[in-house]
Amino acid sequence: DIVMTQSPDSLAVSLGERATINCKSSQTILYNSNNKNYLAWYQQKPGQPPKVLIYWASTRESGVPDRFSGSGSGTDFTLTIDSLQAEDVAIYYCQQYHSNPYSFGQGTKLEIK
Amino acid sequence: EVQLVQSAAEVKKPGESLKISCKASGYVFTDHWIGWVRQMPGKGLESVGIIHPYDSDTTYSPSFQGQVTISVDKSINVAYLQWSSLQASDTAMYYCVRRGRDCSGRSCFSRNFDSWGQGTLITVSS
Repeated sequence: DIVMTQSPDSLAVSLGERATINCKSSQTILYNSNNKNYLAWYQQKPGQPPKVLIYWASTRESGVPDRFSGSGSGTDFTLTIDSLQAEDVAIYYCQQYHSNPYSFGQGTKLEIK
Repeated sequence: EVQLVQSAAEVKKPGESLKISCKASGYVFTDHWIGWVRQMPGKGLESVGIIHPYDSDTTYSPSFQGQVTISVDKSINVAYLQWSSLQASDTAMYYCVRRGRDCSGRSCFSRNFDSWGQGTLITVSS
């Protein structure tokens, strides 16, 4: 099974500043046949289902603000939130969809400093 | 608009059976994998398993193999998750998810869970 490890577990950032969340997979999630990284990022607010932010490691889901961006390849990935807004307070999860089971990271709780 | 509408919350006793549902609309049901994700109280997300409605090809995460059954009724665009004997440790929110798909020319690649149901809360308590 592929293990996904996020860091940090929690993060406090000032409004307007940048937040960076890392995600590491225990093996590569780059699929050679299409040269895509099978990595997604989700945002979950209390009492709501998760919402897709990023897929293919760096493709922003339709309607997601452009302050959210994803990067990385192979085994190391990053979610960056520029100019943090109050509504960005949430738990963020990475997920690999390369191999079953489609595992998630443990989550990173983002708060306002 | 893609919608996944799940059945209502349930309160059950240990040892009871249960089948929850997820009604899909807004897309061709047999074109996309559909599955389930568990979230235990205050915890993270776990993939339970996934099924392709076209041929009922099903894959379970090892932790859930033998513990639950995933099925579909493609005549009514509904996916199911069922237990034959619930345990207290099954208490959780269960989300129905659709696996997205990107197609270019004749090639299609399944991608992440791009649509989520509202969740069904299962409480198992004596």
